[in-house]
Amino acid sequence: GQQVMQIPQYQHVQEGEDFTTYCNSSTTLSNIQWYKQRPGGHPVFLIQLVKSGEVKKQKRLTFQFGEAKKNSSLHITATQTTDVGTYFCAGRTGANNLFFGTGTRLTVIP
Amino acid sequence: EAGVTQFPSHSVIEKGQTVTLRCDPISGHDNLYWYRRVMGKEIKFLLHFVKESKQDESGMPNNRFLAERTGGTYSTLKVQPAELEDSGVYFCASSRNAPYGYTFGSGTRLTVV
Repeated sequence: GQQVMQIPQYQHVQEGEDFTTYCNSSTTLSNIQWYKQRPGGHPVFLIQLVKSGEVKKQKRLTFQFGEAKKNSSLHITATQTTDVGTYFCAGRTGANNLFFGTGTRLTVIP
Repeated sequence: EAGVTQFPSHSVIEKGQTVTLRCDPISGHDNLYWYRRVMGKEIKFLLHFVKESKQDESGMPNNRFLAERTGGTYSTLKVQPAELEDSGVYFCASSRNAPYGYTFGSGTRLTVV
């Protein structure tokens, strides 16, 4: 079955440091989405990437979709305590449903 | 617009009992999904409704789980009889037709003791 793996599983950073999480799929994806779940909260949609090699930015967040459409990354520049949470990628093949990655839990130390 | 509403927010039941979770999607969203997160692991897909029809129920773990979506509006997920391994957070999400992102509800934390 479809699998989407994320690394690292956990990341502790000092406030102001950068952070990156990587997402890898065993199959080629039609698109990939990213979600953020705050502690005790629910996943919140951040962005969707569709095109091979696509790069999108949201303020300090940069999202990339690999050329082969099998991997993706989320990079946060100069982390803040408000960035704390678990970041999930979620991939889709064709018109199938989203399969979520294992998530990366980010802790930001003030 | 109102978000996706789930209730109850928490449920503690004994093994062998029945629990019914409810989800009210965003009005006008034809797509409704159920997901489950167990022990802080990945968010696993359970099933997908398009209006009142089950589009994909490949993620349903076994026949103890029954999902319905009456009239294409709210949905219920019944677990009967509940087992210990059913504990986790059950999320409902809704969306317009692809390729939109999903809007998740706050989840129901189910604990089976």
